[in-house]
Amino acid sequence: DIQMTQSPSSLSASIGDRVTITCRASQSISTYLNWYQQKPGKAPKVLIYEVSRLESGVPSRFSGSGSGTDFTLTISSLQPEDFATYYCQQSYSTLPITFGQGTRLEIK
Amino acid sequence: EVQLVESGGGLFQPGGSLRLSCAASGFNFGGYWMHWVRQAPGKGLEWVSRINSDGSNTIYADSVKGRILVSRDNAKRTLYLQLSSLRAEDTAVYYCATVPPQQWLAPYFDYWGQGTLVTVSS
Repeated sequence: DIQMTQSPSSLSASIGDRVTITCRASQSISTYLNWYQQKPGKAPKVLIYEVSRLESGVPSRFSGSGSGTDFTLTISSLQPEDFATYYCQQSYSTLPITFGQGTRLEIK
Repeated sequence: EVQLVESGGGLFQPGGSLRLSCAASGFNFGGYWMHWVRQAPGKGLEWVSRINSDGSNTIYADSVKGRILVSRDNAKRTLYLQLSSLRAEDTAVYYCATVPPQQWLAPYFDYWGQGTLVTVSS
């Protein structure tokens, strides 16, 4: 199985801050890396697919980069609605599809 | 509007079995591959299963293999998950999710249901 490791596991930041979350794969996954946002009690929502492609309707303050084993999700200027948990997911190998453990983004 | 509505969750005995349903609307259900993803309370996301569009091919996570059967009825626009020999570690919210047609071989999940909570406890 491909292991996905996110860092940090939790993060405190303020409105307007620039935030970066990192995801590392245990082997190369090319550009098959997706990011989700999940708020308490809600289903996850896809933000970015294939490293850097913004899902329709997602604000442009979200961006992604990377390739191979190391990837980042960046929020350029935090808004109140961005406080949530973020997950990366690899789709290079579909048996199984694997997610990172999550990064909880909290208000400082 | 795409809608996925899971049902069938509840409290189940260890060793028992369950069947979850996912009712789909707002898209051509019969043309889409579907997935199940679960989330234990306070934990991360765990992929469970994938079924292809006509139901002829399924794949499962090792954690449920041998205990799970995923099927679909395209005429009823409904996806099913049957899980037997239930264990405490099966306790989770179970989500069904779709994948965009062009992404079936490298999937990301663009639509999710609201989830249904399964609790396995005596």
